[in-house]
Formats: sequence, structure tokens, C-alpha cells
Amino acid sequence: EVQLVESGGGLLQPGGSLRLSCAASGFTFGSFPMDWVRQAPGKGLEWVSYINSAGKSIYYADSVKGRFTVSRDNAKNSLYLEMNSLRAEDSAVYYCVRDGLVAGDFDHWGQGTLVTVSS
Amino acid sequence: SYVLTQPPSVSAAPGQTARITCGGNRIGSIGVHWYQQKPGQAPVLLVYDDSDRPSQIPERFSGSRSGSTATLTITRVEAGDEADYYCHMWDHISEHHLLGGGTKLTVL
Repeated sequence: EVQLVESGGGLLQPGGSLRLSCAASGFTFGSFPMDWVRQAPGKGLEWVSYINSAGKSIYYADSVKGRFTVSRDNAKNSLYLEMNSLRAEDSAVYYCVRDGLVAGDFDHWGQGTLVTVSS
Repeated sequence: SYVLTQPPSVSAAPGQTARITCGGNRIGSIGVHWYQQKPGQAPVLLVYDDSDRPSQIPERFSGSRSGSTATLTITRVEAGDEADYYCHMWDHISEHHLLGGGTKLTVL
């Protein structure tokens, strides 16, 4: 069974930094591209970042480019999101998501970790 | 920036058919995917690549595309289908994943 378990969320002040982790199991992690998708309270889904299976192709939403860094450790079956210069508008549930290999869909989602940026 | 446009809300009575649209002029060059999200839960993939369905998804959920509009159709609507629905595609021009704003399905 595919499992994606996020951790690292919390409450922090504007301008702060945080590192999210996603532990993957139940599949060959190193074969799949991965994404982070977030959802602000009461709002829709927003794609945040993409990283291919080897970690060589990386893309970011314009809203986080230059502040967030996605990475992965295939030996540890883990995905990471380093978030810097956090703003109130970054407050959201952050989902770790696996990309489907055939069509690029988001075929499995974690349960999410909540990040709250507030003074 | 390029967007996918969904109606904010759709309603249907139990047993009826609900249709949720997703518009965008880059739709057609690559497949559209659909997700269901119930309150307090993570999204679930319903349809991928316009019209394919994961094995665990009931046949009542189907997808189609015509021109620059993709449609999610839910037949024989049930109370348990009340949820938010999102469309999604990869935009190869911007190299961004795009997600629609979401549509809330209300079962009357």
C-alpha cells in the first residue's frame, strides 16, 4: 500500500523558516516524480513544487520561487520542502503527492501537515 | 498567468447526473485529471488523462474532453458525493502544474 506521511508543520512567525518532510513507503520511491501541493484554510488547492525521480528537474510555483527549495533522498525514501522567508499567505496544509508515471496525474496524496505563519 | 476555470458550485438531486466543467485554451494538448476532496480529507484521484479511471473508482464517475473544455460527469448522484472537485493539468509551456479553483457539489 502506498503511504505518504508528512511531518514538520507548525506555527511560526513571518520571516521564519521551516523544513517539511515526507516519508514514502509501499512503492519504489526513486522511480516516481513527486510534488508538494498546498491548501490554505477554506481555499482551493495550489501546486507548490515538482521534482523528478532523479532530483534533477525541479519546478516551482511563482508564489514560492526563490523562497522554497524542494529536494529528495531516494536512499531514505524521503521528500523535503525547505521554506524560507515565510509569509502569512504561506499558511496552509501542505500535501506530499506522488505523480502517476503515465499521465502526470497526482495519483497518491499524503494526509498533509499544517503550516501556520502568524505573529 | 494561465488558469483552469471551474464553476464555483454545482447541485444535483440524488439519482440525477451532475456535470462539472473545466475550461482553458491549453486543454487538449495534454490530459486533464480530476480529484474529489471531502471535508477534512486529502484529495483522491477520480479520473486521469481525460477519461481513464483508477480501478477503485466507481463507474459512476467519468471524464471527457471536447475542445478546450474538460467535463467530469457523475451519474446516479449519491449523498456521499457531496464534496469539492478539482481539475488539473500539466502546462508544458509554463512548466507548471495547474489546478482549477474547485467546484463544490451540493446534493439536494
